[in-house]
Amino acid sequence: DAGVIQSPRHEVTEMGQEVTLRCKPISGHDYLFWYRQTMMRGLELLIYFNNNVPIDDSGMPEDRFSAKMPNASFSTLKIQPSEPRDSAVYFCASSLASAGGEAFFGQGTRLTVV
Amino acid sequence: AQSVTQLDSQVPVFEEAPVELRCNYSSSVSVYLFWYVQYPNQGLQLLLKYLSGSTLVKGINGFEAEFNKSQTSFHLRKPSVHISDTAEYFCAVSDRGDKIIFGKGTRLHILP
Repeated sequence: DAGVIQSPRHEVTEMGQEVTLRCKPISGHDYLFWYRQTMMRGLELLIYFNNNVPIDDSGMPEDRFSAKMPNASFSTLKIQPSEPRDSAVYFCASSLASAGGEAFFGQGTRLTVV
Repeated sequence: AQSVTQLDSQVPVFEEAPVELRCNYSSSVSVYLFWYVQYPNQGLQLLLKYLSGSTLVKGINGFEAEFNKSQTSFHLRKPSVHISDTAEYFCAVSDRGDKIIFGKGTRLHILP
């Protein structure tokens, strides 16, 4: 397996624009996580899914953030409208609970909102 | 609710010296524990994990960690560090395979 694949790797957008981050988890994994990493807050869990169903979205900072997982092989994190304070690295990770729950991370998407 | 505390935000250590990175967790249930490493501009990679059994866990790159239930700790150690160990290290806790919560990370600086 190629691992967790995120796209794009880098995104620069203007304030107010819609941003969509994409993630392909490892095949067969039943959990998918979205994290945001900043210098100030470290690695924050935004939302996670189990078998494509959102389980806990309490980490989503505002209603401007939304995430979907339409099938087992794809998830999106959308920010609309984007703001400069959303600038961060966004990581997607997936895991298989029955195998010990180790999370496998993608390379991340570095988002810059200007 | 689960939480993870990494007591040191930065740890400087001389090359070939030993190092310990501290981690304490809180959880109301049995947990899985992890240490991850992040090199610059990369995602996180698993160093080691504790699921059950022996409290001393050995990982990659010569790292090991000891689970101490009474002290709710999972400190990471290496007997002799190398310049290539310069990275950020994250401790994490999971409720038996459910959501994974990370600490704020510890930057390990290796001094020549």
